[in-house]
Amino acid sequence: DIQMTQSPSSLSASVGDRVTITCRAGQTISNYLNWYQQKPGQAPNLLIYGASSLQSGVPSRFSGGGSGTDFTLTIYGLLPEDFATYYCQQSYSSPYTFGQGTKLEIK
Amino acid sequence: QVQLQESGPGLVRPSETLSLTCTVSGGSISPYYWTWIRQPPGKGLEWIGYSYFSGRTNYNPSLKSRVTISVDTSNNQFSLKLNSVTAADTAVYYCARDPHYYDSDGTPQDYGLDIWGRGTTVIVS
Repeated sequence: DIQMTQSPSSLSASVGDRVTITCRAGQTISNYLNWYQQKPGQAPNLLIYGASSLQSGVPSRFSGGGSGTDFTLTIYGLLPEDFATYYCQQSYSSPYTFGQGTKLEIK
Repeated sequence: QVQLQESGPGLVRPSETLSLTCTVSGGSISPYYWTWIRQPPGKGLEWIGYSYFSGRTNYNPSLKSRVTISVDTSNNQFSLKLNSVTAADTAVYYCARDPHYYDSDGTPQDYGLDIWGRGTTVIVS
């Protein structure tokens, strides 16, 4: 299995901040990397696919980057609704593993 | 728009079989892959496996000996069966659509898990 490691595991930030979450794959996965946002009591919601493509309907303040083993999710100008848990997932090799999650909290 | 809805028992006894159904509304079950993911209480996400609309399957090796995912195209549904359950199988179970496909030279074109059900809680006790 390909291990996905996110950092940090938790993060405190303020409305209006720019934050970056990192996801590292245990082996190269090209650009087969997706990002999801999950709010308490809700299903995950796809934000970014293919490492950097914005899913339809997702605000442009979300941006993804990277390839190979190192990836980032950046949120520009945090809004109150962005405080949630974020997961990366590799879709390069089955089983399609997720990172452990990064909980973004309000400072 | 396409919506997914999980259904099934919320309580399953140890050693028995967990059975869930996901109903697809507002769209066709073909030509997509249909996936199950679970999330134990307070923990992260685990990919269980998928079935293509034609019936081809791919399972997480950690669950492969106990899991079956099947598609019912006539009713626009797909299902999950997990046998010999234990308390470790207690989780929220989500169904999701995976629209990936293979281009003319066999390269997978991936679009993530783009539509999810709301999830259903299954307790093994």
